[in-house]
Amino acid sequence: EVQLVESGGGLVQPGGSLRLSCAVSGFTFRTYWMSWVRQAPGKGLEWVANIKEDGSEKYYVDSVKGRFTISRDNAKNSLYLQMNSLRAEDTAVYYCARGYSSGSYWLDYWGQGTLVTVSS
Amino acid sequence: DVVVTQSPLSLPVTLGQPASISCRSSQSLVFSDGDTYLNWFQQRPGQSPRRLIYQVSKRDSGVPDRFSGSGSGTDFTLKISRVEAEDVGVYYCMQATHWPPITFGQGTRLEIK
Repeated sequence: EVQLVESGGGLVQPGGSLRLSCAVSGFTFRTYWMSWVRQAPGKGLEWVANIKEDGSEKYYVDSVKGRFTISRDNAKNSLYLQMNSLRAEDTAVYYCARGYSSGSYWLDYWGQGTLVTVSS
Repeated sequence: DVVVTQSPLSLPVTLGQPASISCRSSQSLVFSDGDTYLNWFQQRPGQSPRRLIYQVSKRDSGVPDRFSGSGSGTDFTLKISRVEAEDVGVYYCMQATHWPPITFGQGTRLEIK
């Protein structure tokens, strides 16, 4: 059974940092692109970042470039999102999702999400 | 960036009746390999999103066959043949042909009339 479990969310002050983690199981992690998607309270879905299978390519939505860093540890079957210089508008539930692999065309499995609240 | 526009944004439907959601993109979603990377997701209240349809019309495992996807180029549709109570939630289309960024529609809220 495919499982993705996020952790690391919480309350942080503007300008602060937070590191989200996503532990995965039930599939061969190293063969998939992985994604982070967020959802502000009462709003729609917004793609945040993608990372290639081996971590050699990373892509971000413009609003987080230079502040967020996506990474992965294939030995630990884990995905991460380092968030720095956080702003109020980063407040959202952050989901990790299985990205792309041949035969699996983007975001077929999602975690339960972790809430990040940026407020003083 | 490719803009994806859904309509309607709110969809009241009587149980047992059909429902249809439109998704239009600002440019063709046909990729250079000939495939079209247009997905549909369902988000029930309080739950994570769930993918229903990928590559326009391919139904994910476990998705009831009352859900179907169609379309091509820039115009796409999600249809529910007979709405059931468990279908209440928000539906999103998403394109992954021209990325970054991957872009989602605004969402369509389906409710029972």
